[in-house]
Amino acid sequence: DSGVTQTPKHLITATGQRVTLRCSPRSGDLSVYWYQQSLDQGLQFLIQYYNGEERAKGNILERFSAQQFPDLHSELNLSSLELGDSALYFCASSQGLAETDTQYFGPGTRLTVL
Amino acid sequence: GNSVTQMEGPVTLSEEAFLTINCTYTATGYPSLFWYVQYPGEGLQLLLKATKADDKGSNKGFEATYRKETTSFHLEKGSVQVSDSAVYFCALTPNTGNQFYFGTGTSLTVIP
Repeated sequence: DSGVTQTPKHLITATGQRVTLRCSPRSGDLSVYWYQQSLDQGLQFLIQYYNGEERAKGNILERFSAQQFPDLHSELNLSSLELGDSALYFCASSQGLAETDTQYFGPGTRLTVL
Repeated sequence: GNSVTQMEGPVTLSEEAFLTINCTYTATGYPSLFWYVQYPGEGLQLLLKATKADDKGSNKGFEATYRKETTSFHLEKGSVQVSDSAVYFCALTPNTGNQFYFGTGTSLTVIP
């Protein structure tokens, strides 16, 4: 158990819909990262937040957005969903800002878009 | 640009066999390199890392050496166990702004 929790575990929805994925980091960790893992694209870094502020953006689509709240939990919002958005979405957390800080991954949310 | 290439799987080995999973990278600047492991149904776990050339990362019997001259970070283990069955990901961060790049993953199955 990494100490990072993600809800829900599974999510099934239809094209065009909007969903919110939630992540609670390990106690004391200030950074949260979001990743998408799919069969065709592999594991892609989406976005990082540190202490409520966006710090880095990877391959995140404009239809996707994220935020980190004062209690440090984070939400990833996916809108206008397409079939290709079906994937496993991981959240990870780390203590600080350094790129070499160990990231602890949650168990993931499996999103299926029908 | 930045990218990671790792050997295609799946890899199947007998218990106690020697393991090598190749990883090469392209990066701007001076990247840090990582190996992550993903057990079935779980998230990724950091296995080892190296932050500068010639560093050797090691953990749980696994080792990898950061070779700048060959832009490689191959993962090795002298004697694999059934419990090592998992998917292994090579990754890098270019250390120029919190970006992270992963290889496609190599599935390892160890049979008794």
